[in-house]
Order: sequence, then C-alpha cells, then structure tokens
Amino acid sequence: EVQLLESGGGSVQPGGSLRLSCAASGFSFNNYAMSWVRQAPGKGLEWVSTMSGSGGSTHYADSVKGRFTISRDNPKNTLYLQMNSLRAEDTAVYYCAGAPSYYGSAYDYWGRGTLITVSS
Amino acid sequence: EIVLTQSPDFQSVTPKEKVTITCRASQSVGSSLHWYQQKPGQSPKLLIKSASQSFSGVPSRFSGSGSGTDFTLTINSLEAEDAATYYCHQSSSFPLTFGGGTKVEIK
Repeated sequence: EVQLLESGGGSVQPGGSLRLSCAASGFSFNNYAMSWVRQAPGKGLEWVSTMSGSGGSTHYADSVKGRFTISRDNPKNTLYLQMNSLRAEDTAVYYCAGAPSYYGSAYDYWGRGTLITVSS
Repeated sequence: EIVLTQSPDFQSVTPKEKVTITCRASQSVGSSLHWYQQKPGQSPKLLIKSASQSFSGVPSRFSGSGSGTDFTLTINSLEAEDAATYYCHQSSSFPLTFGGGTKVEIK
C-alpha cells in the first residue's frame, strides 16, 4: 500500500522557519518526482516545488523562491521542505505528492497533509 | 505561467444526472492535463491523467476528454458520494498550475 506521511507542521511566527518531512512507502520512491502542493484555508490548490527522482532538478513557485528549499533522501525514502522567512500568506495545509516523471505526469499519490500556521 | 480557468465554479446536481466541468488553458498544454477530486477534510485524489486516461480504481462514470487548451471532465450518472470539489492541473510546463476548482453539490 502506498503511503505518504507528512510531519513537521505547526504554528510559527512571521519570519520564522520550519522543516517539513514526507515519509514515503509502498512505491519506488527514487523513480518518482516529488512535489509540495499547498492549500490555504478555504482556497484552492497551489503548487510550491518539485524535485526530480534523482534530486538533480528542482523548480519553485515564484512565491517561495529564495525562501523554501526542497530536498530528498532517497535511501530514507523521505522528502523535505525547508521553509524560511515565513509569512502569513504561507499559512496552508502542505501536501507532498508523487508523479512518475518530472514533466507531464499527474500526481498519482498524495499525503494527508500537514498544517502550517504563520501568525504572531 | 499557464492559467487554467474552470467552469462552472459551483454546480448543484441531482443524483443520476450528468455533470460536465470544463477547464480552459491560457496556452496549449498538449495532453498534460489531469483531474482530481477532493472531498472536505481529505487530500486530492487523481481521477483522470493525461486528459483522458482513467486512473486505477476510478469508477467508470468518470471520463475526460480534450487536448491543447480545452478539456472536459464528465461524470455520468452522478452518485451522492461524488459530492466534492474537482480541480484540473497542468504539468506541461513550470510553474505547474491548478484550476480554481468546481464544487459539486448533491441536491
């Protein structure tokens, strides 16, 4: 059974940092491009970042570029998102999602999400 | 950035009725257009990939069509469990984008 389990969410003050983790199981993690997608309360889905299966390629949304860093540890089947200089508008549920290729593919697998609240 | 425009934003439908949701892209995405279903409090689930390919385990009443800039998700004979918000998503080019969503309510 495929599982993606996010952790690391919580409340943080503006300007603070958090590191999210996503533990994967049940599929060939190193063959999947992995992404972070977020959803602000009551809003739609917003793509945040993607990393290729090998870790050699990454892309970021302009809204997080320079503040967030995606990484992965393939032997540990884990995806990460380091979030710095957090803003109120980063408040959202953060999902990790997996696609079989870096370009052109749909997200076959989604985690349950972890909530980040940025507030003073 | 490729903008995806979904319509309608909201639809109230009786069971067994047919539902059609459209997604228009601001430029061609080829067939790299996918559809997800999200129920309240849950994560999105893949329904249709590459415009028209049903994902494993998805009921046959869900189907997709289109290419280039115009796409359609069809739900034939709506069931009560289909109450959800539906999103289109393009993975043709970065930044990846999602449509604004279509909420389907059961009358």
